[in-house]
Amino acid sequence: ELKVEQNPLFLSMQEGKNYTIYCNYSTTSDRLYWYRQDPGKSLESLFVLLSNGAVKQEGRLMASLDTKARLSTLHITAAVHDLSATYFCAGRRDSNYQLIWGAGTKLIIKP
Amino acid sequence: GAGVSQTPSNKVTEKGKYVELRCDPISGHTALYWYRQSLGQGPEFLIYFQGTGAADDSGLPNDRFFAVRPEGSVSTLKIQRTERGDSAVYLCASSRFSRETQYFGPGTRLLVL
Repeated sequence: ELKVEQNPLFLSMQEGKNYTIYCNYSTTSDRLYWYRQDPGKSLESLFVLLSNGAVKQEGRLMASLDTKARLSTLHITAAVHDLSATYFCAGRRDSNYQLIWGAGTKLIIKP
Repeated sequence: GAGVSQTPSNKVTEKGKYVELRCDPISGHTALYWYRQSLGQGPEFLIYFQGTGAADDSGLPNDRFFAVRPEGSVSTLKIQRTERGDSAVYLCASSRFSRETQYFGPGTRLLVL
């Protein structure tokens, strides 16, 4: 059974700093998703990582995937207040459409 | 284009009542999913439709929950004899095909008193 764990679950940081959110998964996942959720809002797709070594970047966010370590990371560079949100990673079992979600990382970026 | 829409945005009901939650997916998306999200947690899968049929309803917690998608577009999640534990945000998502990125609606916040 696929399980997905994120850490940290809560992160408070200053603007301008760098930090990384980690997403570990327990068994094979054929792809790994990162989503963002603002308070009271729905989930916004950020990245989908399909293969070992995949790296995707959008603005100050960069996601990577290491399938051998069963680890994905979401790196934030020079954080700005607008990136404050909860970030979720989700895996998907082979040949299955169900997404299995981590508990989310609540990120607060202070000016 | 228009995203996934859900109505109502908020629903307050009393224990034991029946509720219906509606999802209007992105036009042309064949796959539709329902999830439930409790406070401070990630979404939990409920049911998946491919076209009109429920391809997987293994996430429905019990037989009080039922969902339909009669014409392969709009879907309705139905909850009978609601319980306080049903309180959550119910999220709908759609994707062009079943293995593609899922796009989420704003959710329906259900509160059972």
